[in-house]
This record gives sequence, C-alpha cells and structure tokens, in this order.
Amino acid sequence: DADVTQTPRNRITKTGKRIMLECSQTKGHDRMYWYRQDPGLGLRLIYYSFDVKDINKGEISDGYSVSRQAQAKFSLSLESAIPNQTALYFCATSRVGGIDTQYFGPGTRLTVL
Amino acid sequence: GESVGLHLPTLSVQEGDNSIINCAYSNSASDYFIWYKQESGKGPQFIIDIRSNMDKRQGQRVTVLLNKTVKHLSLQIAATQPGDSAVYFCAENYGGATNKLIFGTGTLLAVQP
Repeated sequence: DADVTQTPRNRITKTGKRIMLECSQTKGHDRMYWYRQDPGLGLRLIYYSFDVKDINKGEISDGYSVSRQAQAKFSLSLESAIPNQTALYFCATSRVGGIDTQYFGPGTRLTVL
Repeated sequence: GESVGLHLPTLSVQEGDNSIINCAYSNSASDYFIWYKQESGKGPQFIIDIRSNMDKRQGQRVTVLLNKTVKHLSLQIAATQPGDSAVYFCAENYGGATNKLIFGTGTLLAVQP
C-alpha cells in the first residue's frame, strides 16, 4: 500500500550495529504498529503507538526501541543487532476510535550477520 | 492461550475453481476478524473483514463466513485466478478498542493454470 512506506526495503548489517527502520504514512491515521514476520510464524507485534505521546510494548519488544516523531512517522531501532533479529519487518497503521483495519507497508527485509 | 490457526498450510486449486481457506480461532471474546493477502515481497493487503455480530459478508469474488459456535472462519474465493496466488492470513481482534490483532501463520494458495 503506497500510503504506508518503509525505508530501507532491504538491509544487511553486522552483529552489534545499530539499525533504524523508518515508516511514514499519508493515511492520516493516528495509530501505528511495528511487526516482525518469521518463516512459519504469524506476524508478531513489537511496539505500537496510538498517538505521538503514546508508546506501548507489544509481545516481543526486547532488543527494540521506537520513536514516534510525528503523527505520520514511526521508527524502529535495533540498538545492537543480533542474528536472531533477521526477519521481515512491517509497519502498519489504523484509525483511532475502536476496532479498525490495519494497513501495512511493503516491509523491510533485515539480515543480521 | 489465545491463538489463530489454519487447517491447511498449502492449498492448490485449478484456475477457475472456487477456493476455500479455513481458520480456527480460540478466543471466544474476539469481536472482529480480518483476512489479509500477502504476495511475495509485499506487505499484507486487506481483503475483507467481518464483525462478530455477522455470520457472512461478501465482497468482490470473496466471501467470509464466521461460525462463532465452533470458532471457525473461512475465506471463499470464487473463480480463482492466477493473480490470487499468495499467502492468506486470518487475524482476530482480541484487544477490543485497542485494536491488537493475533495473526494466523498463513495458507499458501497456489493456482494452477
């Protein structure tokens, strides 16, 4: 979905390096999410944010941090990357106001050597 | 625990046939369900959703059926086309207004010409 963009699309890095993945959206949504996807597993929630001043941990937040710089921007950082953080990372957005569909970006493929 | 699972990890169908992808969910309190399609190298794309006060919803060539008695969800695709080849995920909303989703592991739909 072109309304949700992620950069970079692919990244190879080494163990111990700091990595930042960025997400931007033009949908005007307040809520933003970061997920990781591993082969054979469903999408797992890392962090989510309901507005600029709201950050919440998901089910697998250890080793990650996030920053919500603006309504439209939500970045995910790996302070010291490790090989088991090799995965596909997806950003998603949804509207505020109860149950609503989440819309996903194209993903970032991260490889940690 | 709460989980969403799929009965068939791979489904192979002939072009023009109808496809049925199944999903079991375990949280009887979940009140919103979504089907996503994920093509290779892309992020999950919303297909259709259904709320727990409904048992059927139709879209363009797709129908979602919800059976709350047995906690089962299905996606029916009519006249399956090669472009329908993808991984299909179901997701359930277990967090109410917090919009937290649990995703299934996915079913690969392979359309044979």
